[in-house]
Amino acid sequence: AQKITQTQPGMFVQEKEAVTLDCTYDTSDPSYGLFWYKQPSSGEMIFLIYQGSYDQQNATEGRYSLNFQKARKSANLVISASQLGDSAMYFCAMREAGYGGATNKLIFGTGTLLAVQP
Amino acid sequence: EAGVVQSPRYKIIEKKQPVAFWCNPISGHNTLYWYRQNLGQGPELLIRYENEEAVDDSQLPKDRFSAERLKGVDSTLKIQPAELGDSAVYLCASSLDRTGKNEQFFGPGTRLTVL
Repeated sequence: AQKITQTQPGMFVQEKEAVTLDCTYDTSDPSYGLFWYKQPSSGEMIFLIYQGSYDQQNATEGRYSLNFQKARKSANLVISASQLGDSAMYFCAMREAGYGGATNKLIFGTGTLLAVQP
Repeated sequence: EAGVVQSPRYKIIEKKQPVAFWCNPISGHNTLYWYRQNLGQGPELLIRYENEEAVDDSQLPKDRFSAERLKGVDSTLKIQPAELGDSAVYLCASSLDRTGKNEQFFGPGTRLTVL
């Protein structure tokens, strides 16, 4: 069964430093997508970055990069130059292709609470 | 461009009462999702619509939950009667494409408290 595991309930990082949030996944489907979302205290889920299972290069979006290690089934999020506004919950999610095409169903992990300290 | 709109933002009711949540997706988005997020957990899909058709409602507790998406635009999720365990944040999301990244855009959610 498909599953997302985030083993870090909480993380601290100093402002301007880099931080890595861990995510491992389990799937038997060769075609899948991996997402990271940010959820600030306001509650809205904000899309950060996407990695397709067939993408050859690691995804990058500004200060966000995804360290995709397919053989290890890990998709860690790296945030460079942390800012105070980065303090939030971060969720890793996976979408399997499913039979007949994309199912569009996201499976989320339990999240990591990141606190950026000045 | 307006994002996904949800109302109300907060709702407090007593158990056994009915409650309804409303969602207006991003204009032009054909796929709409309702998720439930329990405290300390990630969101879990309740139902997914493609246009006006519910294509995945396997996780929707059909004895008390119902949903509709009239005309393939906005949607309503209803709980009747509500139970204590229904306290959670109910998130609505929408997306445009069916293949590729198919990024889902989320609304701010409705925080439901059942007393």
